Parts: sequence; C-alpha cells; structure tokens
Amino acid sequence: GAGVSQSPSNKVTEKGKDVELRCDPISGHTALYWYRQSLGQGLEFLIYFQGNSAPDKSGLPSDRFSAERTGGSVSTLTIQRTQQEDSAVYLCASSLRSSGTMETQYFGPGTRLLVL
Amino acid sequence: RKEVEQDPGPFNVPEGATVAFNCTYSNSASQSFFWYRQDCRKEPKLLMSVYSSGNEDGRFTAQLNRASQYISLLIRDSKLSDSATYLCVVSVDSSYKLIFGSGTRLLVRP
Repeated sequence: GAGVSQSPSNKVTEKGKDVELRCDPISGHTALYWYRQSLGQGLEFLIYFQGNSAPDKSGLPSDRFSAERTGGSVSTLTIQRTQQEDSAVYLCASSLRSSGTMETQYFGPGTRLLVL
Repeated sequence: RKEVEQDPGPFNVPEGATVAFNCTYSNSASQSFFWYRQDCRKEPKLLMSVYSSGNEDGRFTAQLNRASQYISLLIRDSKLSDSATYLCVVSVDSSYKLIFGSGTRLLVRP
C-alpha cells in the first residue's frame, strides 16, 4: 500500500523567500508529525496534528514556521522568510491514531531544503 | 546535555561480526524505547521496540536498563546490508513525541 509521501523531494530557495512543504499521510492515519533533521543531527520534533488540530506546536523553531492540516489528511509546513539555518531535511510521519498509547510512526522520504 | 546520547561511530566491522551499540537517555520519565534504522538519504524506519525484559528479533537483540537509563542493540552475524545509521529513540509518558539520538553509523565490510 501507499506510504507517506512528501513533495517536493528537493527544494533550493534563496534567503528571504517563502517555501511550502507538503505531506500526504497514510490513508486512515489520524495523527501526523513534522520533524527536521539537520546535517549530522538527530531528528528534531516540530509539530504534531491529531486530525486537523495541532495540540503541540512546541517544536516550531520560530514564528516564521507554521503548519496546517486540512480534511484530516494533507498537511503543509510553511517557512516564511527562509534563512540559511533552515537548510535541513524535513520529514513527515503519520500514525494510526494518538490516544495516549505509543503508535508506530511511519516516515515519508523527506524534503531536502537548501537555502542559499 | 542531549536528551538521548549515542556514540556517532562509525563502527567498521567485518561480515559475520557481532557489534553492540549503546544509548543513554536523560529523562527518567521516558516510557517507550525504540531502535530505528536510517539508510543514507532515506527516511528512518522502525527496527524494533525495546521492552523492559529485553527482546530479540532474529539477529537483533535489544536491552533496556531503566536504573541506568541505558538502551543497547546487539547485532549478531553482521551482513553487508546492515550498514546504516541506527537511531536510538525514546518517548516520555508513552506520548506521541519521539526524541531521537543523533545515530550510530555502522559499516559492515566484506
């Protein structure tokens, strides 16, 4: 079956521009997560969605970062006025639900963002 | 101090060798523990969960020591295909938020 998909797979942008990253979770998965992986670093949690609501945005690094999810499915992570330190791989994951028990999170292939 | 610490490696071992990775975590409230595998330029994939009693999956054995806040992964009879980065992952209070270590890189040579 189809896994988590992300687009674009690679994005090169100029400092100061806005970018939108898209995530399509596994069909039927109500929980969706965004992580960031900088070169040589572990994954860093950004935001979590349960359905269309985001109960935890604590990992977003600044107010230039925002995310939304519509229809309980597709999610978009937007970075405004990109900076060079935003360069990283942005990974999306989904799980069947999040109800207080740990669910396996399935990751997409990521979007590699390079800010020049 | 990082919440999850791992030796970055690389561990360079011959095929057939046994290799062990260790990981320590700082939050004593951590409840769930995992090892993920990440191939170069690929997404992480769950290798195995780690249970208090220890668990085995084929050539892979995971151990948890809550008193020392320490997790280990043992790989027996290494294969070339085991070459990857192994990520130690914990979750506090069995919540949704996964906290990743930076990973240990394994290279298995012929």
